Amino acid sequence: SQQGEEDPQALSIQEGENATMNCSYKTSINNLQWYRQNSGRGLVHLILIRSNEREKHSGRLRVTLDTSKKSSSLLITASRAADTASYFCATSRNYGQNFVFGPGTRLSVLP
Amino acid sequence: DAGVTQSPTHLIKTRGQQVTLRCSPKSGHDTVSWYQQALGQGPQFIFQYYEEEERQRGNFPDRFSGHQFPNYSSELNVNALLLGDSALYLCASSLRRSTNEKLFFGSGTQLSVL
Repeated sequence: SQQGEEDPQALSIQEGENATMNCSYKTSINNLQWYRQNSGRGLVHLILIRSNEREKHSGRLRVTLDTSKKSSSLLITASRAADTASYFCATSRNYGQNFVFGPGTRLSVLP
Repeated sequence: DAGVTQSPTHLIKTRGQQVTLRCSPKSGHDTVSWYQQALGQGPQFIFQYYEEEERQRGNFPDRFSGHQFPNYSSELNVNALLLGDSALYLCASSLRRSTNEKLFFGSGTQLSVL
């Protein structure tokens, strides 16, 4: 079964707006990562947050992690049409263990 | 510095046939993981290879097998293909001892089973 579940399944916003995606998971984790996928091709790593961290930033990306609620959120600020993609969270239970991906959020940024 | 390369990019097979997909990891990486991604779904972990051995396996039948070569490249074999095996197959490489654990993905092989 899926470890992570993203919410919403699909999101449509205007350029310049912020986009927030959420991820919930079921068991304890070592770290949580967010990936982006354009048009069903390879996934690209965006950001990693470890279980002992609460917030991380990378450019226009902000990720939060709440281990008590087993949830994470990805915020993309000042979105651009090029941000249109599917976004997946992936969790690893222990160091070196395989990553489990959620079903993803499909983001559409309209010009 | 070449990234992860997969071949072929597209493949069409019929039910019952066998298929082999190939993956070359990113330079310097020693671990290869394979994922299956059905349309509209997230990637599902098939198995992981390190030091030429299968180290972890997801919930996939024995029809799915793999191999890793001394140069760290890898193959995914699927026997007795079913219609439900139609999917995008993704290879991801990483460095076993890296504290980063970031996965680098190839562009995938789109398999269609008719």
